[in-house]
Amino acid sequence: DQQVKQNSPSLSVQEGRISILNCDYTNSMFDYFLWYKKYPAEGPTFLISISSIKDKNEDGRFTVFLNKSAKHLSLHIVPSQPGDSAVYFCAASYVNAGNMLTFGGGTRLMVKP
Amino acid sequence: KAGVTQTPRYLIKTRGQQVTLSCSPISGHRSVSWYQQTPGQGLQFLFEYFSETQRNKGNFPGRFSGRQFSNSRSEMNVSTLELGDSALYLCASSPGGPFYEQYFGPGTRLTVT
Repeated sequence: DQQVKQNSPSLSVQEGRISILNCDYTNSMFDYFLWYKKYPAEGPTFLISISSIKDKNEDGRFTVFLNKSAKHLSLHIVPSQPGDSAVYFCAASYVNAGNMLTFGGGTRLMVKP
Repeated sequence: KAGVTQTPRYLIKTRGQQVTLSCSPISGHRSVSWYQQTPGQGLQFLFEYFSETQRNKGNFPGRFSGRQFSNSRSEMNVSTLELGDSALYLCASSPGGPFYEQYFGPGTRLTVT
């Protein structure tokens, strides 16, 4: 039972355009969401997070949107750069879970110059 | 500030053996979590230690165990290795939690033959 799903295994965008990565979840207890970026042979790198009391959080080129009624979140990267090419994971947690994160399967983003 | 370090980076073991992996968290971080990444199952939570106590445990058999020392360094042990234990084992640290982002180490690539 996958509680966090990233339905697009891959995404290709042109440099300078917007990248939109999507994530759906089923567990209504989740109240904290994070996005991580992963390069091969490295551990995931934290990008941005959002708690369930917000519907948007912005950090530079990265913005995360949360739609609780739809149990959906998305990561927008504007403008996309070739260095953004990596696998992106969304993750979810809830207050009684401590630091236990439930991860989606990942989306491979390719930004073409 | 130094990041999360994991040793060894690569390991080859034979089925039936046991293995111990080590993780040194970021200085000042008291929570250490362990994750297993495989192509088939993705990133899965193993367990979390906070102030030397296991705070959460994922859905893994008892062959997987861990501990945390007073300096917050952590080890995980896998006994009676099976071929399916071949994976990237990632350690993540955070100041406490919940709702703190976790910082991942580069991982230990374990191959069981």
